[in-house]
Parts: sequence; structure tokens; C-alpha cells
Amino acid sequence: GENVEQHPSTLSVQEGDSAVIKCTYSDSASNYFPWYKQELGKGPQLIIDIRSNVGEKKDQRIAVTLNKTAKHFSLHITETQPEDSAVYFCAASITRGKLQFGAGTQVVVTP
Amino acid sequence: GAGVSQSPSNKVTEKGKDVELRCDPISGHTALYWYRQSLGQGLEFLIYFQGNSAPDKSGLPSDRFSAERTGGSVSTLTIQRTQQEDSAVYLCASSTTGKNNQPQHFGDGTRLSIL
Repeated sequence: GENVEQHPSTLSVQEGDSAVIKCTYSDSASNYFPWYKQELGKGPQLIIDIRSNVGEKKDQRIAVTLNKTAKHFSLHITETQPEDSAVYFCAASITRGKLQFGAGTQVVVTP
Repeated sequence: GAGVSQSPSNKVTEKGKDVELRCDPISGHTALYWYRQSLGQGLEFLIYFQGNSAPDKSGLPSDRFSAERTGGSVSTLTIQRTQQEDSAVYLCASSTTGKNNQPQHFGDGTRLSIL
């Protein structure tokens, strides 16, 4: 089955700097890659997603890139702010919408 | 509009008891998913409902776990004879359809603690 690996597990950045989280997947049939942000005590919140027919997508300070050949995708957060501190999860869609999640990245933005 | 609603938000019970967790999906969403998140871990798929199709139960960890979805809307996840390893946050998500590429929207989960 699908396996998603996510790195790093923790990421500490200074406010204003950029943060990059990387994920790799194993199943070349995967075609949908969402990213979720989870704050303490809350459910995951979808922040951006990308489909396999697109190489890059941007939404304000957040961007996602996808390399289908290498089977990896990355989340880029620019001009980080303290409110960006959270756990971020990548995921890949295997079949019929079922998602396989990475283990998560704890992002800490220090003022 | 209203998002995915889960109840209870917290549940503490003794080992061996049965528990029921409830999920109200976003109105009009035909696909509903249950995931489990153990402390400090990623999300683990449990079960998936799409319309009137047979559910995909491939992620259920044992026959103590079951789920149903009545009237194509509300879903209940039942855990029988709970064990301490069942302690986790149980998350529900819904999407407009069950096709790939449809965003899944999550509730805030039920935090289950087995004593």
C-alpha cells in the first residue's frame, strides 16, 4: 500500500523566515496531495492541496510543489508568523479518497 | 456554514466498556471517513462511507470496532470491550463525494481515554 514519509519531525524558525516541509510517497498512482495544519486540541484544517496534473500551487504565503517523477512534494511557508506555529501533516490519496498521512511536522515560529 | 461536528468531545471510560462516538458531516457531503490519531502520531484510516455503497472497512484494527451511517448522514463509531490501546483521538471527516481529489474536512475529534 501507500507509504508517506515526512521530514523534518520538528522545525524551529525565526519569525519572518521561510519554512519548508518535505514528503515522499511510494504509490505512483496517488494523484491528490493535501496539506493540513493542526492546532492543539483541534482537528486538522486543510490549508492547501495539489493534484497530480499540476507542478506548483500558491496561496498567499503558502505554496506547494510536486515532483511526480521523484514522488515527492513540499510545503513552503514564507514570511512566517507566530500564528503559523502548529503541527503540519502531508497526505496522499490512495484510492476512492482514502488518505495516507505523514507523521507530522511540529513547526515553532519564534518572535 | 456548519462544519463537521463530533460528540462527545471527550470520553473517559473503564477498560472493557463499550463506547459510541458520533459524527455529523457537513450537510450535503456524501462521503464520510473515520481516522484515529494516537498521541503524537499521524492519522490512521479506519473506515469510509460513500453514499449507498458498501463501506470500506479495511482500516478497522479489530472486530471490536464497527461503524454505521444511517440515512446517509450521521455516523456512529462503536468500540466494544475497550482496551487501553484504544486510547486516542478519533477524527471524522466528510467530503462532497468519495472521488479522489475532493478535499476532506475534519471535525475536532473525540478524545477517548481508557482507564
